[in-house]
Amino acid sequence: DTEVTQTPKHLVMGMTNKKSLKCEQHMGHRAMYWYKQKAKKPPELMFVYSYEKLSINESVPSRFSPECPNSSLLNLHLHALQPEDSALYLCASSRIRQDGEQYFGPGTRLTVT
Amino acid sequence: GQSLEQPSEVTAVEGAIVQINCTYQTSGFYGLSWYQQHDGGAPTFLSYNALDGLEETGRFSSFLSRSDSYGYLLLQELQMKDSASYFCAVPSTTDSWGKLQFGAGTQVVVTP
Repeated sequence: DTEVTQTPKHLVMGMTNKKSLKCEQHMGHRAMYWYKQKAKKPPELMFVYSYEKLSINESVPSRFSPECPNSSLLNLHLHALQPEDSALYLCASSRIRQDGEQYFGPGTRLTVT
Repeated sequence: GQSLEQPSEVTAVEGAIVQINCTYQTSGFYGLSWYQQHDGGAPTFLSYNALDGLEETGRFSSFLSRSDSYGYLLLQELQMKDSASYFCAVPSTTDSWGKLQFGAGTQVVVTP
């Protein structure tokens, strides 16, 4: 099973709202990632968790707050977002952190109004 | 730093063969990955080459030459469903260890 699941599929939120994106994998992978992707662009790394510890934060604004409750789950908490944060948010996982074989979830299409 | 170059678009007819080249400049190197992404979908892992040579998986093959800092993805017997963006990527070996650096992507358009 190479499935990564994400909820919700679509999310519309105002700039004062607080919402969370959820990601789950059951492949026993020990590295999990959040990416942001704009149309016609490659995925852009936001955060990397390795063995449930945050190992990379790519200078992401504090209005995005990641959380890794356990080895299978990854959350991204959103607060006071801006319209330019509208994008596809992708979760991915891999066996270990330094692995070119990553499995992506279907993504959450986020629109900030 | 790291940089990857790949063509922006390739057009071919059904049944044809397409080769997507990727050249990279990195301070260290572990391997080269390829991902497919359909419009509105998520990237799907296709292959990872850590060693020189050709690896075949069905209609798709991936090649790596470490000495030339070059790889390619070969799509054979093209089908309409192969119309998608294809990204080459390399794992970072420096400051952001674990980061996957993507190329800008190649849009493959398959015509009848």
